[in-house]
Order: sequence, then structure tokens, then C-alpha cells
Amino acid sequence: DAMVIQNPRYQVTQFGKPVTLSCSQTLNHNVMYWYQQKSSQAPKLLFHYYDKDFNNEADTPDNFQSRRPNTSFCFLDIRSPGLGDAAMYLCATSRGDIDQPQHFGDGTRLSIL
Amino acid sequence: QKEVEQNSGPLSVPEGAIASLNCTYSDRGSQSFFWYRQYSGKSPELIMSIYSNGDKEDGRFTAQLNKASQYVSLLIRDSQPSDSATYLCAVNKGGGADGLTFGKGTHLIIQP
Repeated sequence: DAMVIQNPRYQVTQFGKPVTLSCSQTLNHNVMYWYQQKSSQAPKLLFHYYDKDFNNEADTPDNFQSRRPNTSFCFLDIRSPGLGDAAMYLCATSRGDIDQPQHFGDGTRLSIL
Repeated sequence: QKEVEQNSGPLSVPEGAIASLNCTYSDRGSQSFFWYRQYSGKSPELIMSIYSNGDKEDGRFTAQLNKASQYVSLLIRDSQPSDSATYLCAVNKGGGADGLTFGKGTHLIIQP
């Protein structure tokens, strides 16, 4: 049973054209995270929501925004994608307790033309 | 100093042998530690979590944590070709809701 679902699996967009990636969860977890993983690099946290509280990482570019309209859904908006934004974008969820791991979706691979 | 360090490998291990993967972290206040397996082009998959000093075993996998030495390891017994993947060490530095800081991963190759 898929518990963290990301759509689409593959996304191609043009340089500078806004794009939105989607994540949904059936786990009813409090926390939802977005990570960026470039080729042969470690996943890098962009931001996360604890319930409705948004927490941005200090070095996340302003080009990246997020929305969480309800417990189940979270969106990643890239306002003006550049070639350097081509990456795998990973959504993860957790209960937020210290002894609870994060569960990842299958990811969305974003290509920029 | 990098926050989470792993040897990138590749680490080559014969089938049936024990694979040993190591990770060090810089923040002494780190609370929880995870090992994820990632196949090429796929998302990370949780293998083990560990929160207190000592060993934790789950099937063929054993995680070891030594907070005094700031060291985490993963042992894979009876290695199988399907274990060939990149293994990511991840650390949660603060409270449970904080994001994870990942190492770059160790590429493990199990030779049939």
C-alpha cells in the first residue's frame, strides 16, 4: 500500500516556467518534508511543515515555495526553474516524535529544458 | 567539518560475507540515527533506526551506535546481490520534527 504518494513521477518543464510538484499521505502524519537530491549527492532538506507551521531551511532559495492546504497534501512550487534545479524531489512524512523515522515517497524527477 | 560523513566507496563484498558500513557525525547533541538504502533512480528506503548506544538487530541487519565516539555503523550479514545499493546514513540533530541530515552515502557492491 502506497502511503506517501508523489505526482508526477517525472516532470519536464521549460526554463523559467513555474512548476508544482504534489505529495499526499495516508499515514495521517503531522510532519511533511521536501528534500532535493541532485545526481550522486545526498538528499538536502528544503523545508518542512509541522501541521500548519512552516519551517524553511536558511539556505533554501526563494524560488522554492511550499503549501500545505490540509493534513494529507503538500505541494512544492518552483516559481522560475533554472537548469540547476533539475533534480529528484523527495517528499517524506513523520509523526514528529524523536523515535519516529521519516517515510519517503517515490520521488519526482524534474528535468528543465 | 562535514556534518555526516561516510566513505563513498565503492565497497565490494563477496556474496555471503558481512558488509560493514560506517558513518560519523559532528553534532554531539544528535538524537536519532537512521540507515536508508537507495537503489539507483529510486527514493530512500528505511533499513534501520537506532536511538540509544549499543546494537540493534533486525534480520540480517545490525545497527551499532556509539554516541561518545559519534559513530554509527550498519552490518549486513549473509550479503546478497540484491543488497547492492547506496546506503545513506541520516541523523536527526534536534527534536523529532527536524529534518534529517544525510551523508553522501556508501555505494555497496555484492559480488556473486
